[in-house]
Amino acid sequence: EAQVTQNPRYLITVTGKKLTVTCSQNMNHEYMSWYRQDPGLGLRQIYYSMNVEVTDKGDVPEGYKVSRKEKRNFPLILESPSPNQTSLYFCASSLKGTGTDTQYFGPGTRLTVL
Amino acid sequence: LAKTTQPISMDSYEGQEVNITCSHNNIATNDYITWYQQFPSQGPRFIIQGYKTKVTNEVASLFIPADRKSSTLSLPRVSLSDTAVYYCLGRTSGTYKYIFGTGTRLKVLA
Repeated sequence: EAQVTQNPRYLITVTGKKLTVTCSQNMNHEYMSWYRQDPGLGLRQIYYSMNVEVTDKGDVPEGYKVSRKEKRNFPLILESPSPNQTSLYFCASSLKGTGTDTQYFGPGTRLTVL
Repeated sequence: LAKTTQPISMDSYEGQEVNITCSHNNIATNDYITWYQQFPSQGPRFIIQGYKTKVTNEVASLFIPADRKSSTLSLPRVSLSDTAVYYCLGRTSGTYKYIFGTGTRLKVLA
């Protein structure tokens, strides 16, 4: 089954404790992306990747890191989480990231930073 | 930077047609305009996309005027299961950066 998977689905942590949220897709997509979703603000793009070793900032990259060492994986790293990063996070992938592509979304990771 | 604007919420009754309009500027010239549907605790899922004029599939229609500065999602004869948040999505011209609208929360009443 074609899908985007994220782990963990739920995470509660404390300020400053480094964490990684994994994202994997099995569709051989080149484009992958991370979004955060907050009430009243909709979905905002954090980082995206056009292909292996090619990443760029979205609208809200501060406090996040990403890496793309393999085509299928695109982990989101929070080196020193803060309470304002409490949010619902979605990973997405599409074939090439062009304007005719459809993005496929993972199930989401709900992160709480205390 | 592309910007999209949608109504925050709408209510409708079962069986009615619902139209949700999104205003967008600086969307990449050759890109499709895409709409997604999101249910609580799930990721957004694709509904429909188009470039100009009108596109129809089994669940919705999409109207895009010639200037492409807006688009209207039309849901015919909505049911309770259409209660969800609907987003328009575009790519900022000249980049691979995507901008979602803030979403329209549609509530369908019996």
